[in-house]
Amino acid sequence: GENVEQHPSTLSVQEGDSAVIKCTYSDSASNYFPWYKQELGKRPQLIIDIRSNVGEKKDQRIAVTLNKTAKHFSLHITETQPEDSAVYFCAASINTGNQFYFGTGTSLTVIP
Amino acid sequence: DAGITQSPRYKITETGRQVTLMCHQTWSHSYMFWYRQDLGHGLRLIYYSAAADITDKGEVPDGYVVSRSKTENFPLTLESATRSQTSVYFCASSETRGTQYFGPGTRLLVL
Repeated sequence: GENVEQHPSTLSVQEGDSAVIKCTYSDSASNYFPWYKQELGKRPQLIIDIRSNVGEKKDQRIAVTLNKTAKHFSLHITETQPEDSAVYFCAASINTGNQFYFGTGTSLTVIP
Repeated sequence: DAGITQSPRYKITETGRQVTLMCHQTWSHSYMFWYRQDLGHGLRLIYYSAAADITDKGEVPDGYVVSRSKTENFPLTLESATRSQTSVYFCASSETRGTQYFGPGTRLLVL
């Protein structure tokens, strides 16, 4: 099956700086890559996603890039704010209706 | 988010007892999923269902049983709870080829 690795496991940045979280996947058939944000004690919530026919997608301060050749994708958060502090999970899926394979998460702390 | 609910939100039980966690969604999504979340392991899929009466194993199915007699409900049963099943359990649902939406979670403690 698919194997998704996520790095780093923890990340601390100063408010206003950028944060980058990287994930790699093993199955070249994977074609959908969502990112979830989970605040402490809350449910995971989708923040952005990308499909394999797109190399980059942006939504305000958040962007995701995908390199199919290298089988890795990254989450970029610019101008970080304290409310960005959370655990972020990447995932890969061959079919968005079927199984998601999640990374182990990155705990992001934004220091005011 | 209010479209998918889980009950109970918190549960304490003892080793060997049977426990059922409930999941209900109002979106008529075809797919439903059960995950467990443990520190260092992220979200691991236990079981999923593509439609009523269709279920399939995920990554960590041992010790769990599911059923799906109605599209909107997907209960997860621990037949004989063990301490290693102490975890946070999330239910999720999606349309076919759609993203997954998570319920609020159930915190289970097995003593």
